[in-house]
Amino acid sequence: DAGVIQSPRHEVTEMGQEVTLRCKPISGHNSLFWYRQTMMRGLELLIYFNNNVPIDDSGMPEDRFSAKMPNASFSTLKIQPSEPRDSAVYFCASSFSGGPYEQYFGPGTRLTVT
Amino acid sequence: ELKVEQNPLFLSMQEGKNYTIYCNYSTTSDRLYWYRQDPGKSLESLFVLLSNGAVKQEGRLMASLDTKARLSTLHITAAVHDLSATYFCAVGPLNTDKLIFGTGTRLQVFP
Repeated sequence: DAGVIQSPRHEVTEMGQEVTLRCKPISGHNSLFWYRQTMMRGLELLIYFNNNVPIDDSGMPEDRFSAKMPNASFSTLKIQPSEPRDSAVYFCASSFSGGPYEQYFGPGTRLTVT
Repeated sequence: ELKVEQNPLFLSMQEGKNYTIYCNYSTTSDRLYWYRQDPGKSLESLFVLLSNGAVKQEGRLMASLDTKARLSTLHITAAVHDLSATYFCAVGPLNTDKLIFGTGTRLQVFP
């Protein structure tokens, strides 16, 4: 299997622009997680889906962030409008909810907002 | 709310030495995971511990879980430079798929 695929790997954008991050989970996995990692805040869970349904979005920082999972093989995380404080590495991870719930991480998207 | 604490946060150790990283968590859980992250890279799964008393070993790393004490340890035996990385423990709350990650322990092994 190719593992979790994320795109783009790097994104540089200006404040106020819309940013869309993409994720393809491992085939057969039915849970998908979006994380954000920064030096100051560490690794934070933003939202997770099970069977394409959002289960817990309590980590989404504010209304500027939204996530969708239209089907089992694709998810997006959108930031609109972006701000410099959104600069971070965003990871997508997937797992099989039948156990042992081990999460496999994608390579991440490094976002820089200027 | 489940909280996960790791210590130490930073560990600098000499090659050939042994050391232990500790992971404490605040509420009941039946699954614990250890991950490794190299600088600029993603997280790689090392161990999955699913029961009290579970012990897993891979090379110079050994992980254990004590669910009664809410404690997991990652023991490093005869450290080598290639083990330099950040190590995270993650705990799964009951009845949910999500994981709560610790702050990470940055390990640096020097000659």
